[in-house]
Amino acid sequence: ELKVEQNPLFLSMQEGKNYTIYCNYSTTSDRLYWYRQDPGKSLESLFVLLSNGAVKQEGRLMASLDTKARLSTLHITAAVHDLSATYFCAVVNAYKYIFGTGTRLKVLA
Amino acid sequence: NAGVMQNPRHLVRRRGQEARLRCSPMKGHSHVYWYRQLPEEGLKFMVYLQKENIIDESGMPKERFSAEFPKEGPSILRIQQVVRGDSAAYFCASSPPGDRGEQYFGPGTRLTVT
Repeated sequence: ELKVEQNPLFLSMQEGKNYTIYCNYSTTSDRLYWYRQDPGKSLESLFVLLSNGAVKQEGRLMASLDTKARLSTLHITAAVHDLSATYFCAVVNAYKYIFGTGTRLKVLA
Repeated sequence: NAGVMQNPRHLVRRRGQEARLRCSPMKGHSHVYWYRQLPEEGLKFMVYLQKENIIDESGMPKERFSAEFPKEGPSILRIQQVVRGDSAAYFCASSPPGDRGEQYFGPGTRLTVT
């Protein structure tokens, strides 16, 4: 059974600081997604990573994928308050999206 | 091109009542998936449907839950005799034909059982 673990589960950080969220998964997969979810809202797709070594960046967020280590990271650079949200990674197993438990990020002014 | 549509967005039911959640996939999409998100958790797969067929319902509770995707009209997730533990956000996703299409998520239906 494919399992996806994220850490940390909660992250409180000061504006301007850098931090990394980790996503480990237990079996091979050919796609990994990162999503953002604001309270009471749906999922906003941030990145899709398709191959080993893939790196994608959008604004202050950068995601990478190491398929050999079964690890993806979401790096936050110089955090701002607007990034406060819950971030999920999801690994695809055939047609099932297997989601991590989420990382609740709070950026303090 | 409208996205995945779900209604209602919020639904309140008393224990023992039935809940019906609707999902209209994106235009051109013939595959529908339902996921459940319990409070403070990630989304969990429930069921995968194509028109008039249930492909995989391995994530559905064995009792009280059913899903359909008729030839015409939206996909329906039906929960009979709701209990407090059914309170959750239910998300529908759709994808185009083929096994590897990216899934696009709807806004969700938030079910509260009182």
